[in-house]
Amino acid sequence: QKEVEQNSGPLSVPEGAIASLNCTYSDRGSQSFFWYRQYSGKSPELIMFIYSNGDKEDGRFTAQLNKASQYVSLLIRDSQPSDSATYLCAVSSIQGAQKLVFGQGTRLTINP
Amino acid sequence: EAGVAQSPRYKIIEKRQSVAFWCNPISGHATLYWYQQILGQGPKLLIQFQNNGVVDDSQLPKDRFSAERLKGVDSTLKIQPAKLEDSAVYLCASSPGTNQQYFGPGTRLTVT
Repeated sequence: QKEVEQNSGPLSVPEGAIASLNCTYSDRGSQSFFWYRQYSGKSPELIMFIYSNGDKEDGRFTAQLNKASQYVSLLIRDSQPSDSATYLCAVSSIQGAQKLVFGQGTRLTINP
Repeated sequence: EAGVAQSPRYKIIEKRQSVAFWCNPISGHATLYWYQQILGQGPKLLIQFQNNGVVDDSQLPKDRFSAERLKGVDSTLKIQPAKLEDSAVYLCASSPGTNQQYFGPGTRLTVT
């Protein structure tokens, strides 16, 4: 079982709709959870992080964390073509200080 | 604030040759990471430095990969000899001591 799992997609969403990206993790002691966006040919860019159970909102983005289910998600409201990218879920391992384990990423396409 | 700098941006070598990558982190960031990202996968941590000491190199193929961070600032990652499966993007990231990591533009390595 992979430590951090994401559906690789591609996920296709019409412009203006809500895009929902999901991630599960295996280490029950994980404490910190991150979403990175990676445009094709570019490096990952941090867009959200969440530490506590529940929802965290930042503009059109909402991160949701459920530690009991070992599940974290990212919702993108009012999706724009510029949101088309690969979204990487990353989890902070308790084994090493400040160490992130990444999922394989979900490729999201927003259709105009 | 200047971001993480990496060079070269692209490199093509033949198998069994050697190659070196350079990274200059964001000023003041004590933690530096090298990741390998194979096409279609998430970044995989190769080595983590705290100042000039190694925190985690458990996934570094030490028979062919080496890395150093002299004086706790710049870092170099070397591959010798390269194999076809080393073709990937090598990402450097730095952190100010939190779980938030900032990535450089990466070096795309092609081994033929």
